[in-house]
Amino acid sequence: SQKIEQNSEALNIQEGKTATLTCNYTNYSPAYLQWYRQDPGRGPVFLLLIRENEKEKRKERLKVTFDTTLKQSLFHITASQPADSATYLCALDMNNRLAFGKGNQVVVIP
Amino acid sequence: GAVVSQHPSWVICKSGTSVKIECRSLDFQATTMFWYRQFPKQSLMLMATSNEGSKATYEQGVEKDKFLINHASLTLSTLTVTSAHPEDSSFYICSARDLNRGHQETQYFGPGTRLLVL
Repeated sequence: SQKIEQNSEALNIQEGKTATLTCNYTNYSPAYLQWYRQDPGRGPVFLLLIRENEKEKRKERLKVTFDTTLKQSLFHITASQPADSATYLCALDMNNRLAFGKGNQVVVIP
Repeated sequence: GAVVSQHPSWVICKSGTSVKIECRSLDFQATTMFWYRQFPKQSLMLMATSNEGSKATYEQGVEKDKFLINHASLTLSTLTVTSAHPEDSSFYICSARDLNRGHQETQYFGPGTRLLVL
């Protein structure tokens, strides 16, 4: 079965720096991969989608890469702000359903 | 746009009672809705896919007789936890797809319902 791995340790980062999160998967490459943000006690909020034939996607201060050879996606938050503090979830397409990683917490220190 | 609401936001009930959770797409029609469960510091686990006008598709290991799903209209899906037990205490989240907006694969999530069974 597909395993989705995100770093369990929180990422503490200074305001203004770039936060980089990793999502690794083990088996078949999905047709697309998504990143969501989740705040405590709230539902996830969609951020970005990247397809298997795309190398990189950007949205404002966010950037996502997708390497099907490495079976990895990287998620970058540039010029990080305290408001970016949250848990970021990687989600993979599995036959038109989404499988989520456990998420990686980011703490931006002012 | 693409707002999904859930009601109630939290519920406390006694063991053995049934609890109904509503999921509504407020500004779009959702032919497909999804129900997830999330335990603390764990990933969202898909429980079932709810299709308007037809039976829900349950994931392996999810008891369909315990978690009743009804998708009676294009804007409403309900999840009923029957004969709830303390181990059913969790954060239940629904999501919906808006086929007319952006990526068809994107899911819009509700705010979640916290269930505590005593």
